[in-house]
Amino acid sequence: KQEVTQIPAALSVPEGENLVLNCSFTDSAIYNLQWFRQDPGKGLTSLLLIQSSQREQTSGRLNASLDKSSGRSTLYIAASQPGDSATYLCAVRGAQKLVFGQGTRLTINP
Amino acid sequence: EPEVTQTPSHQVTQMGQEVILRCVPISNHLYFYWYRQILGQKVEFLVSFYNNEISEKSEIFDDQFSVERPDGSNFTLKIRSTKLEDSAMYFCASLGQAFDQPQHFGDGTRLSIL
Repeated sequence: KQEVTQIPAALSVPEGENLVLNCSFTDSAIYNLQWFRQDPGKGLTSLLLIQSSQREQTSGRLNASLDKSSGRSTLYIAASQPGDSATYLCAVRGAQKLVFGQGTRLTINP
Repeated sequence: EPEVTQTPSHQVTQMGQEVILRCVPISNHLYFYWYRQILGQKVEFLVSFYNNEISEKSEIFDDQFSVERPDGSNFTLKIRSTKLEDSAMYFCASLGQAFDQPQHFGDGTRLSIL
């Protein structure tokens, strides 16, 4: 059974810092991995999708990497801004469903 | 950009009543999903639907739950005889014809059982 873990559970940093969020999964037989952003009480916004054959994907200040063999992914956020404050979720996809981690609650302090 | 639409945004229901949560997936998508998120917990998969039938379901998705695509645009989740523990945010998602694309999520329906 696939298990997804995200570390840390919460992170608070000053504005402008670069930061890394971590995601690990137990079964490397994945189809792809998706990073989401969730604001309090809101829906899921897809940030990046990495296929199992890819090593990384970039979108603006975000860069996600994938090491399928070791069951790890990282989300790198450059030059953080207060508007980046949210919970970031990692989800891996097997045949059909997404399996989600618990999320990292990120706070960027002005 | 096309989006997944869910209604209502918030539903309050008495325990034991039936509720129907509605979703309009992106129009040319073929795969449809329901997930739920109990407050403070992980997002959990409930069911996937393709070609007018359930393709996978979780242990949570018991006889209390059913899904339907009544026409070419709507995708519904019905919960019969609701329980307090059904209180959660319910998300609908859809996926296009290319299986290597991201799942697109709606904004969710917050279901509160009293």
